[in-house]
Amino acid sequence: NAGVTQTPKFQVLKTGQSMTLQCAQDMNHNSMYWYRQDPGMGLRLIYYSASEGTTDKGEVPNGYNVSRLNKREFSLRLESAAPSQTSVYFCASIGALWTSTDTQYFGPGTRLTVL
Amino acid sequence: QQQVKQSPQSLIVQKGGISIINCAYENTAFDYFPWYQQFPGKGPALLIAIRPDVSEKKEGRFTISFNKSAKQFSLHIMDSQPGDSATYFCAAIFANNLFFGTGTRLTVIP
Repeated sequence: NAGVTQTPKFQVLKTGQSMTLQCAQDMNHNSMYWYRQDPGMGLRLIYYSASEGTTDKGEVPNGYNVSRLNKREFSLRLESAAPSQTSVYFCASIGALWTSTDTQYFGPGTRLTVL
Repeated sequence: QQQVKQSPQSLIVQKGGISIINCAYENTAFDYFPWYQQFPGKGPALLIAIRPDVSEKKEGRFTISFNKSAKQFSLHIMDSQPGDSATYFCAAIFANNLFFGTGTRLTVIP
């Protein structure tokens, strides 16, 4: 049981390049989330998927797209990276509700730098 | 607009002292208030949480105090230890979405 895994751990892009951040969970969780963490801003929700086949925008969705490929995997795509997207990205999954305190997990993060 | 306001941004406490972190919110629809602990290079991990119909919750050395009328809540870490040095985030939940505060970097000096 690996929990939530994210790849890659680190990435450097040039402005305008594209890339996909991968997230997978092996806990049979329904809901998955993508957050970005910036200094002084805390974590902000980019997109989430309440269940397989559904996705919804969070607070800061501009410049990103997501795919809930199956119940296990939830990917985040940057089509044309910008320096403002330099951040640490966290994927999270929950069994049902955030209030179920024993079934929520965050991945280890992907540190992305856009030059 | 930050949904949950957190202070202070950083905090230095002597070993054995009490660490206090404060948060405030405006949206009365929030129905659950967790605190997360994050160590460098790791994702956040749930520490303790409280519902708005409870004024205080204690788990070991960690206590949440909740003031519904003032729309404020705080985390108290009693007998702070160097191993508690981390970044702490308060958060609030609405419609099954989690909104974070801006974080407090706690350093406990031996």
